[in-house]
Amino acid sequence: AQSVTQLGSHVSVSEGALVLLRCNYSSSVPPYLFWYVQYPNQGLQLLLKYTTGATLVKGINGFEAEFKKSETSFHLTKPSAHMSDAAEYFCAVGPPSGGYNKLIFGAGTRLAVHP
Amino acid sequence: DTAVSQTPKYLVTQMGNDKSIKCEQNLGHDTMYWYKQDSKKFLKIMFSYNNKELIINETVPNRFSPKSPDKAHLNLHINSLELGDSAVYFCASSPLPGLAGSSYNEQFFGPGTRLTVL
Repeated sequence: AQSVTQLGSHVSVSEGALVLLRCNYSSSVPPYLFWYVQYPNQGLQLLLKYTTGATLVKGINGFEAEFKKSETSFHLTKPSAHMSDAAEYFCAVGPPSGGYNKLIFGAGTRLAVHP
Repeated sequence: DTAVSQTPKYLVTQMGNDKSIKCEQNLGHDTMYWYKQDSKKFLKIMFSYNNKELIINETVPNRFSPKSPDKAHLNLHINSLELGDSAVYFCASSPLPGLAGSSYNEQFFGPGTRLTVL
C-alpha cells in the first residue's frame, strides 16, 4: 500500500525567504510522486512530478523537488517566496507505469507568505 | 476553453434530498475521476472511470452513483444526502497511461463543487 505524510499543516514564511514543504512517502514499488497546488476556491494544479530519471525535478513558478529514495522523501522548495505563492500544497504518490492513475494525497500544507 | 468543468459550483440542499453534480472534460482524455475534499482539506479518490468503465471504487456508500454517458462526461449522483456529505467534490481527468506522448498519471482537475447539506 502507498501513503503520503506531509509534515506541517501550516507553514509561514516571509516574502523572499526560502520555502520548504516536506513530504515523505511509503510505497512497496518505485513510486511516481507529485506536488499539486490549490489556490483559494480553485481546483488543483500540477506543480511538478517525478516519474523516472533525474531526481531533481523542476516545476512551474520556480518550484523544485528532489526525490530521495534513501529518505523516502520528496520535499518541495523555492528559493524566494512570493506573495502569490500563498496556497494549499498537496504531495501525492501514484502507481508505477501501467497501473491506473490512483493518486494517494497527503493532508496538505497551507503556505502563508507575509510581507 | 475550460479543460475540466463542473456544474454547479455551489450546491446547498437539505438532508435526505437527491442531487447530481456534472463533469465534462474537453481534453480528449480516457480516464475521469471523482475526489472528495473534506473540511480539513483531506483529498480522497472516490471513483475512476476509463472510457465509460468503472475501474476504481473506493468503498464509497451506495448512495453515491457515478454515471459516465461517454468518455467526456462523468456525473455523480447522490441519494439521501447526509450532513457528512458536505464537502468539495472535484472531478479530474487524465490520459490513458502508457500511450505514446501521454503524461503518466498527470490528472487535470476541475474547479470543484462545494456541497453543503443542511
